[in-house]
Amino acid sequence: SAVISQKPSRDICQRGTSLTIQCQVDSQVTMMFWYRQQPGQSLTLIATANQGSEATYESGFVIDKFPISRPNLTFSTLTVSNLSPEDSSIYLCSVEWRGRSRGYTFGSGTRLTVV
Amino acid sequence: AQSVTQPDIHITVSEGASLELRCNYSYGATPYLFWYVQSPGQGLQLLLKYFSGDTLVQGIKGFEAEFKRSQSSFNLRKPSVHWSDAAEYFCAVALTGGGNKLTFGTGTQLKVEL
Repeated sequence: SAVISQKPSRDICQRGTSLTIQCQVDSQVTMMFWYRQQPGQSLTLIATANQGSEATYESGFVIDKFPISRPNLTFSTLTVSNLSPEDSSIYLCSVEWRGRSRGYTFGSGTRLTVV
Repeated sequence: AQSVTQPDIHITVSEGASLELRCNYSYGATPYLFWYVQSPGQGLQLLLKYFSGDTLVQGIKGFEAEFKRSQSSFNLRKPSVHWSDAAEYFCAVALTGGGNKLTFGTGTQLKVEL
């Protein structure tokens, strides 16, 4: 399975600023996924990021608010822009891996608090 | 649209008692099925998964799950719960084939009474 390094692990940001989250994977993967987990809630998919193409956003999420980069097959960033307290959540990246088996691996998450 | 339902938001069991967490899905075909656990302040850990074959799958930490096609269910079980099992449990599904997103249920918060 793939191993993901996600950073920062947590941050406290002022409203109106932006936070960029990075995910580095130890192997090449076609698709990376970005999730949001609001306090006490389940995980909601923000977008799917393919290398070399624009990310595909889920309903309710827009590129201006959550721009994503995917410059190569092992790296992706998610930026949360124009922060408001409602953006306080855990953000996780995930990849699908395939080998003799398959599955999904998650980063350790970024806990964002907006003040 | 695909959906995953975990009917129980909170469950409390006594240590040593058996556990069953319910998961139902709504898909056009049998999806890939997963159970994850999230301890407070921790990341997601995969407990087990089902793709095909034997409908009873064994996972880590003594958990197992049974896929029942007729009921569109994938319930998680453990014969004897330990206090360290207290956590949030998520059922998740993905369409078969590659490159498909995971859709999560709302989660079940497990509390273990000593």
